[in-house]
Amino acid sequence: QLVESGGGLVQPGGSLRLSCAASAFTFNIYAMSWVRQAPGKGLEWVSAISGSGGRTYYADSVKGRFTISRDNSKNTLYLQMNSLRVEDTAVFYCATRPPKYWGQGTLVTVSS
Amino acid sequence: DIVMTQSPDSLAVSLGERATINCKSSQSVLYSSNNKDYLAWFQQRAGQPPKLLISGASTRESGVPDRFSGSGSGTDFTLTISSLQAEDVAVYYCQQYYSTPYSFGQGTKLEIK
Repeated sequence: QLVESGGGLVQPGGSLRLSCAASAFTFNIYAMSWVRQAPGKGLEWVSAISGSGGRTYYADSVKGRFTISRDNSKNTLYLQMNSLRVEDTAVFYCATRPPKYWGQGTLVTVSS
Repeated sequence: DIVMTQSPDSLAVSLGERATINCKSSQSVLYSSNNKDYLAWFQQRAGQPPKLLISGASTRESGVPDRFSGSGSGTDFTLTISSLQAEDVAVYYCQQYYSTPYSFGQGTKLEIK
């Protein structure tokens, strides 16, 4: 019901745009989050957006570099990631709030 | 920011025995307007995405075996597995979704003794 895409290998300083396609539930009534997990590490909340898209929130570690957005007409959540760092390497998951629905994740690798 | 602290970091329990994992938040996650705790428990098996077990501190998700239960309110929460099965080997996380940043506990690794 949530499918992420857009991950891949990127050099430090580069950009990527993740997408999360939702289906089988009413997307626009849910606030949405991005959560990441670095290799061998725990879960880290990254960003969230309200159901309407009018309010956005970011972890300090990504503030000013990442931008969350959504298109409710397409049932899709996005994460634009700029100025990527090696420490951003992780599997990125999208999830609803409350966290009833989670995606399978997409791997972002930042390496030269 | 709300800090979530789980204990213990790791746990080894015999098959059929009870496993208990604790989660403490630095501030209350009880939303007074609806009297609900904004606290979730996840199971993550090796190589898999997290799976939601419990939300609202004690509401088990559909399809989750009833040996899993959640309790607590305010700042102190517990996940209990009443009779450990082999497939329960995993890392377990709590998360508060009361206020941003929606922080996670550090995880508890559960193994078979």
